[in-house]
Amino acid sequence: DAMVIQNPRYQVTQFGKPVTLSCSQTLNHNVMYWYQQKSSQAPKLLFHYYDKDFNNEADTPDNFQSRRPNTSFCFLDIRSPGLGDAAMYLCATSRVLEETQYFGPGTRLLVL
Amino acid sequence: GEDVEQSLFLSVREGDSSVINCTYTDSSSTYLYWYKQEPGAGLQLLTYIFSNMDMKQDQRLTVLLNKKDKHLSLRIADTQTGDSAIYFCAEGTGANNLFFGTGTRLTVIP
Repeated sequence: DAMVIQNPRYQVTQFGKPVTLSCSQTLNHNVMYWYQQKSSQAPKLLFHYYDKDFNNEADTPDNFQSRRPNTSFCFLDIRSPGLGDAAMYLCATSRVLEETQYFGPGTRLLVL
Repeated sequence: GEDVEQSLFLSVREGDSSVINCTYTDSSSTYLYWYKQEPGAGLQLLTYIFSNMDMKQDQRLTVLLNKKDKHLSLRIADTQTGDSAIYFCAEGTGANNLFFGTGTRLTVIP
């Protein structure tokens, strides 16, 4: 089945220790998104890639970076996680001009 | 800027109908969406409606849109315990421009 896959589903890291979250897709969609979702809040868009073009939201902290080495994969790098970065991180994909996004199951990040 | 508001909680008895409401401010929205999020999971698209429609029905789900009042609702008929989840309303002009509400937690009481 075509899908959006996120690994790992749960990630524990230490305060200040870099961490990378992974997203892959078999939908061959050209747009990939990363969202941060804190408890009882709406998903907040961090950035998205349109093919290889990176689009950062204005209020996304510099601590968050992303890489998209090919169409299928996109990574979220948190350079120095703080306690406030503990959240669910959601990856989504879409085609340009399509109506909606397709979400992965998310990675829950815990910062100790 | 865009603002999408939902009530935080809704409880219904199994077998009753649930109605989840949403208001939005952006009059240029082209699409309005309902997503479902089960505990510990990602967002699942339930349905969406074009802004030039006022109703869409899909099995147990009925979406009503009042564009004049910028009000969207999701009705779930014969609500089941498996419908317990958080339901997010979202609006936008396309896939790369979505704005989500804060979600409504639906609890279905057996």
